[in-house]
Parts: sequence; C-alpha cells; structure tokens
Amino acid sequence: GDSVTQMEGPVTLSEEAFLTINCTYTATGYPSLFWYVQYPGEGLQLLLKATKADDKGSNKGFEATYRKETTSFHLEKGSVQVSDSAVYFCALTLSSARQLTFGSGTQLTVLP
Amino acid sequence: GAVVSQHPSWVICKSGTSVKIECRSLDFQATTMFWYRQFPKQSLMLMATSNEGSKATYEQGVEKDKFLINHASLTLSTLTVTSAHPEDSSFYICSAKGERNNEQFFGPGTRLTVL
Repeated sequence: GDSVTQMEGPVTLSEEAFLTINCTYTATGYPSLFWYVQYPGEGLQLLLKATKADDKGSNKGFEATYRKETTSFHLEKGSVQVSDSAVYFCALTLSSARQLTFGSGTQLTVLP
Repeated sequence: GAVVSQHPSWVICKSGTSVKIECRSLDFQATTMFWYRQFPKQSLMLMATSNEGSKATYEQGVEKDKFLINHASLTLSTLTVTSAHPEDSSFYICSAKGERNNEQFFGPGTRLTVL
C-alpha cells in the first residue's frame, strides 16, 4: 500500500539554523505530495505542495522538491525562526483516490 | 483560502455518554469530508470518508456503530462518538474537499476527553 516515511524527531535547532526534514514515499501511482504544519493546539495547515516530478513547492521560506528518482520530498528552510516551532507532516494523495496518507510527523523546536 | 470549522473545540464528558462533533465548510461546498483521529505525538489516522448524501466509508478497524458519521449537506458533517469511554479520548480532526481540486482543508480539531 501507499506509505510515507518521515525522519523521526524531535528536532531541536537554534534560530537561523538550516533545516532539513526528510520524507520518502511509496505509492502505486503518481502521487501529489504535501507538507502540512500543525502548531500547538491547532489543526493542520497546508504549507506547500507539488503535484508532479521535479516540481518545487515553496512557502514562507520553506521548500521541497518532488524527486521521483529517489521517491523523496524533503522539506528545507535556510534560516529557521522560533515561530517555526511546530509539528510537520509529509503526506501524499493519488489522483484517483481522495484520502491523504500521512507520515508520522516531525516535531521541530527552534530555540532563540 | 477555504475555511473549515469544527465545534466544539474541546469537550469533556462522562463515560457512557455520547458526543457529537460538527464539521462545517464555511465558504465552499464539500462533496467529501474526512474524519481523522490523532493520538498525542502521533500522526493522523483516517477513520472514515463521507460523501454528501451517502453512507460513510470506514477504515478497517473503525467501529461503525461506535463512530456515527452523517454528511447531510454539502457544508456539514457530524461525527457522533456513542457510549464514549476513556480510550476514545483523542484529538478528532475533520477535513473537507470540494469538487474543484484535490486539496483538503482541515478543521482546527476537537479535543475529546472522556472521564
């Protein structure tokens, strides 16, 4: 079946550090890929997405590139802020299906 | 962007009682709504998918009679946890999807605590 594997957390960084959260996937078709962010006590918010190979999703300084050859969609940010502290979820959906399959989530804490 | 609301945002109830959670799409028509359950520090687990006007499709291992889902209109779906027990305590999140694209919009979640 379809699955998403994320690097385990928690991840703790100092402000302005470089962030990478790894995400790899397995899917029977050609999925769309997403990164969602969940701030404490809140629901999920879409951070960025990519719908086909080599697409780069970007938002709020975060980027992720859809790599079909390595089945990966790693999240990166060049300089994190304290306000980026949250749980980040990688997810996929197939065009023929409607549900999202989520990774296990990665807790990020950014220290001042 | 599209807005999805949930009500209540948190609820505490006694064991054996039933609790209803509402999920509303405020500015678009949601042909499909999804209900997820999230345990502390874990990922979201899909419970069921509901399409307006038809019966919900439950994921394996989810009790249909325990978690009643009704999607009576294009803007409202409800999840009723019947005869709740402490192990039902969790964070329940809904999402809604319209016809235009594949994006799901998530509600803020409902924290259920069963005493």
